[in-house]
Amino acid sequence: QKEVEQNSGPLSVPEGAIASLNCTYSDRGSQSFFWYRQYSGKSPELIMSIYSNGDKEDGRFTAQLNKASQYVSLLIRDSQPSDSATYLCAVPSGTYKYIFGTGTRLKVLA
Amino acid sequence: GAGVSQSPRYKVAKRGQDVALRCDPISGHVSLFWYQQALGQGPEFLTYFQNEAQLDKSGLPSDRFFAERPEGSVSTLKIQRTQQEDSAVYLCASSRQPGQLDYGYTFGSGTRLTVV
Repeated sequence: QKEVEQNSGPLSVPEGAIASLNCTYSDRGSQSFFWYRQYSGKSPELIMSIYSNGDKEDGRFTAQLNKASQYVSLLIRDSQPSDSATYLCAVPSGTYKYIFGTGTRLKVLA
Repeated sequence: GAGVSQSPRYKVAKRGQDVALRCDPISGHVSLFWYQQALGQGPEFLTYFQNEAQLDKSGLPSDRFFAERPEGSVSTLKIQRTQQEDSAVYLCASSRQPGQLDYGYTFGSGTRLTVV
């Protein structure tokens, strides 16, 4: 069974700080990685994807991938209270479905 | 429609009752998925349709769970003889073409099922 592991949190950071969310995965063959954001009571929405080792930046968000360590992270710079949500790491299983982690709950304190 | 629509939004069922959850995907989306999200957990795959064909039902927890998409658009997830462990949010998602994980899914708002 392929696994995706995340610390459930909550991770609390002050407004304006950098939030660092981490994810490890078990399948060395995984080629792509996705971050979904889920607000309380809402459905997940895709915010970032990454395929290559290194960093990928999109606005205040940076995804980091280290395939050798089987580790992917999401950094949120200048965190805002509106970033408070659960962040789900997802790894494809085959061509059409994801394996999701349990998610990390982020709380940005004003 | 503009998004994936699910109904009902909330459902309370007595243990042993049958329930039916509806998903109306984005018009023209070929692929449709059902996921189950228990409290404090990530979504877990239940089943996948490509048009009207159910190509993967490996995630259905038991034979009490049944899904259909007879005309390749609206889908229904049916749970027979509900048990307390069935309590979860049931998420439906669709995508325009098969194998488009790169673009992510569009999820519906989910149906929260509580079995009492």
